[in-house]
Amino acid sequence: GAVVSQHPSWVICKSGTSVKIECRSLDFQATTMFWYRQFPKQSLMLMATSNEGSKATYEQGVEKDKFLINHASLTLSTLTVTSAHPEDSSFYICSARIRELPNTEAFFGQGTRLTVV
Amino acid sequence: AQSVTQLGSHVSVSEGALVLLRCNYSSSVPPYLFWYVQYPNQGLQLLLKYTSAATLVKGINGFEAEFKKSETSFHLTKPSAHMSDAAEYFCAVSRMDSNYQLIWGAGTKLIIKP
Repeated sequence: GAVVSQHPSWVICKSGTSVKIECRSLDFQATTMFWYRQFPKQSLMLMATSNEGSKATYEQGVEKDKFLINHASLTLSTLTVTSAHPEDSSFYICSARIRELPNTEAFFGQGTRLTVV
Repeated sequence: AQSVTQLGSHVSVSEGALVLLRCNYSSSVPPYLFWYVQYPNQGLQLLLKYTSAATLVKGINGFEAEFKKSETSFHLTKPSAHMSDAAEYFCAVSRMDSNYQLIWGAGTKLIIKP
């Protein structure tokens, strides 16, 4: 199956600093990637849809200036958590589909555990 | 609008027993349905999917699910649970708009008792 690689798998940063998370589709091109946030013992919360070559589409309640998304190529999307605070600590996951069809499954990165201290 | 409901945030079964994880959906159009598994601190892995072909879908690791339109259900089953099946399981349905993003159930944590 298709592979989505997410890096880093975990990161600890100081409050006020910024953290960049990368999501790469290794063996396919993804015009669209999705970024999720997952709180402990909860389901996935879609944060934004990342579109190659254009601005990301953010879900209601997600701060655009806080969570910067860049999708500069068909194989790479990045999520930057700016001026991180302890409440931003969470598990972040990206996903992508090979084709933008409703019957195609999404492939997921391994996730990034962010801890802000 | 589509939605997904997973009954039971936790399901506990004994090793070797039948596993049944429930998923009900709401959709005004024929749905595309998915089951994913998540192990601790990892991303999600596809178990199986229903895409309007056979109603009984077989997936990886011995899991299968049956699409029942009359009951709007897509329950996940496995005849005999293994300790390695302990994980979080998510049911999802494709939205029919907006990049066909997935709508997720709340998840069910499967606990396997020795």
